[in-house]
Amino acid sequence: QSALTQPASVSGSPGQSITISCTGTSSDVGRNNLVSWYQQHPGKAPKLIIYESIKRPSGVSNRFSGSKSGNTASLTISGLQAEDEADYYCCSYAGSSTWVFGGGTKLTVL
Amino acid sequence: QVQLQQSGPGLVKPSQTLSLTCAISGNSVSSNSVAWNWIRQSPSRGLEWLGRTYYRSKWYNDYAVSVEGRINVNSDTSKNQFSLQLNSVTPEDTAVYYCAEGWSSAFHIWGQGTMVTVSS
Repeated sequence: QSALTQPASVSGSPGQSITISCTGTSSDVGRNNLVSWYQQHPGKAPKLIIYESIKRPSGVSNRFSGSKSGNTASLTISGLQAEDEADYYCCSYAGSSTWVFGGGTKLTVL
Repeated sequence: QVQLQQSGPGLVKPSQTLSLTCAISGNSVSSNSVAWNWIRQSPSRGLEWLGRTYYRSKWYNDYAVSVEGRINVNSDTSKNQFSLQLNSVTPEDTAVYYCAEGWSSAFHIWGQGTMVTVSS
């Protein structure tokens, strides 16, 4: 399995919205809605922010939203805040009880 | 509130076995609704799902193709924990290893991570 494709970096100013894409294939992202997104601050473990493509775990800000179309999933962060500066990773179920992650996107809040 | 506490050595010699344990609080390793996973992260390989164990009337395991044949993920119901064993390690296995609770095909709760270096 190849890693899912994410942009290496994105940036935005406080208050703005940004979108991070995650492109896979019909064998992973495109096969169902089992895409999840994780936020990782330096030196910390990843934190789940979106699962089943669009659902937010309890306690996650509604500024985070997910969507999916075909083989591409997207994470949108609205009303950017300084604390959102982190690395973001997508992950998809890839069939046969295996999972594949994206390469990660570094978000810089200007 | 589920919490996962990892333990294990941070240095392993090449060709030996990497062994890590993940102690669970707030849930049971025998839960019928979750799976217990191991994931690693390195600069060269990024985040990589390695394997899982879960209980659905009996125990099941699934492993990534990249480590199949070298990996075992086991549960210990008496200690409410699960473990990772990765055999015949090489420097390519140097990474931060995480345990994680999974359901709905996502990893909801993560351990704190253990940096494991493979070096003589």
